[in-house]
Amino acid sequence: GENVEQHPSTLSVQEGDSAVIKCTYSDSASNYFPWYKQELGKGPQLIIDIRSNVGEKKDQRIAVTLNKTAKHFSLHITETQPEDSAVYFCAASIPSNTDKLIFGTGTRLQVFP
Amino acid sequence: GAVVSQHPSWVICKSGTSVKIECRSLDFQATTMFWYRQFPKQSLMLMATSNEGSKATYEQGVEKDKFLINHASLTLSTLTVTSAHPEDSSFYICSATLGDRGPEAFFGQGTRLTVV
Repeated sequence: GENVEQHPSTLSVQEGDSAVIKCTYSDSASNYFPWYKQELGKGPQLIIDIRSNVGEKKDQRIAVTLNKTAKHFSLHITETQPEDSAVYFCAASIPSNTDKLIFGTGTRLQVFP
Repeated sequence: GAVVSQHPSWVICKSGTSVKIECRSLDFQATTMFWYRQFPKQSLMLMATSNEGSKATYEQGVEKDKFLINHASLTLSTLTVTSAHPEDSSFYICSATLGDRGPEAFFGQGTRLTVV
């Protein structure tokens, strides 16, 4: 079945620097790759996603890139701010009539002022 | 984005009792909802897929008789933890997808269950 690996597990950056989180997936049939931000004690919040027919997508300070051949995708956050501190999860969707998501192990991002 | 509301946000119950958690899609209809469990500092583990009008599909290793799922309408799915034990204490989260409108999944705020 699908397996999603995520690195790094923790990431500390200075405010204003960029942060990059990488994920790899195993099922070449996966076609949808969302990224979620989870703050302590809350549910995950969808921040950006990308579909398999697109190589890159950007939304203000956040961008996601997808390399289908290598089966990996990355989250890029530029000009980081302290409020970006949270746990970030990548996920891959298994094509089916229910679009089940398999999550990566998470990255704890800390942005220091 | 679409809004998913989960209730309660936290609950404390005694061992042996049952607890029901509700998941509602507020501004869209969801034929499919998902239930996850999350332990501290760990990822989300899919427990089951809740299908409106039919039986839930459980992931391997999840006891269907312990975690009862009912998806009675297009906007409501419930998870009942039966005969709860301390090891059932966890953060339970639901999500709902837009179905034919796209694969995006939106999550509820989660329910912190503590069994004492």
